[in-house]
Amino acid sequence: DAKTTQPPSMDCAEGRAANLPCNHSTISGNEYVYWYRQIHSQGPQYIIHGLKNNETNEMASLIITEDRKSSTLILPHATLRDTAVYYCIVRFPGTYKYIFGTGTRLKVLA
Amino acid sequence: NAGVTQTPKFQVLKTGQSMTLQCAQDMNHEYMSWYRQDPGMGLRLIHYSVGAGITDQGEVPNGYNVSRSTTEDFPLRLLSAAPSQTSVYFCASSPTPTGGNSPLHFGNGTRLTVT
Repeated sequence: DAKTTQPPSMDCAEGRAANLPCNHSTISGNEYVYWYRQIHSQGPQYIIHGLKNNETNEMASLIITEDRKSSTLILPHATLRDTAVYYCIVRFPGTYKYIFGTGTRLKVLA
Repeated sequence: NAGVTQTPKFQVLKTGQSMTLQCAQDMNHEYMSWYRQDPGMGLRLIHYSVGAGITDQGEVPNGYNVSRSTTEDFPLRLLSAAPSQTSVYFCASSPTPTGGNSPLHFGNGTRLTVT
């Protein structure tokens, strides 16, 4: 099963770092991990992606374990506007299907 | 640059009616796909296309048809709508089907209600 596994929900205090884990143990060697978030029922918004090395952009950081079986999205200073559902996705091995799991519902608390 | 455009934004159908959800992208992307999202659930892949003239099934293809006659457009057809197809539908595109450094770009969705 190529679906990713994420905790269903997490809370984070405003201003603190939010660390969202994802398990993708079936990922193949040349596949990227992509992270998206969805606020209310809007279209998923791209956050960041990575292959092997850790990545950082203006929105977040991505830490990928050495065996590439899991990753963590880090929002360094969470704000109330970061309250959303966060998805990590990978391509189903041997296909062109990008499969979403159920995501993590992050609630940032004032 | 409009990105991925979905029309209509909202639609109400009666059971048995047919309709086409439109998706267009102006980024010359090879890869396009359709997802549905039921309340409180994640996105499920319906159909996808790796280029003009090539389509394939995703996780939940039953009840939906697609075609890809041009690079820009990827319409999703409901031939006989059922209440179980009440959902929010998202179209996504990417420069290449193999991903790599090219993440998916999503449209803003079509909210479909079948009564």
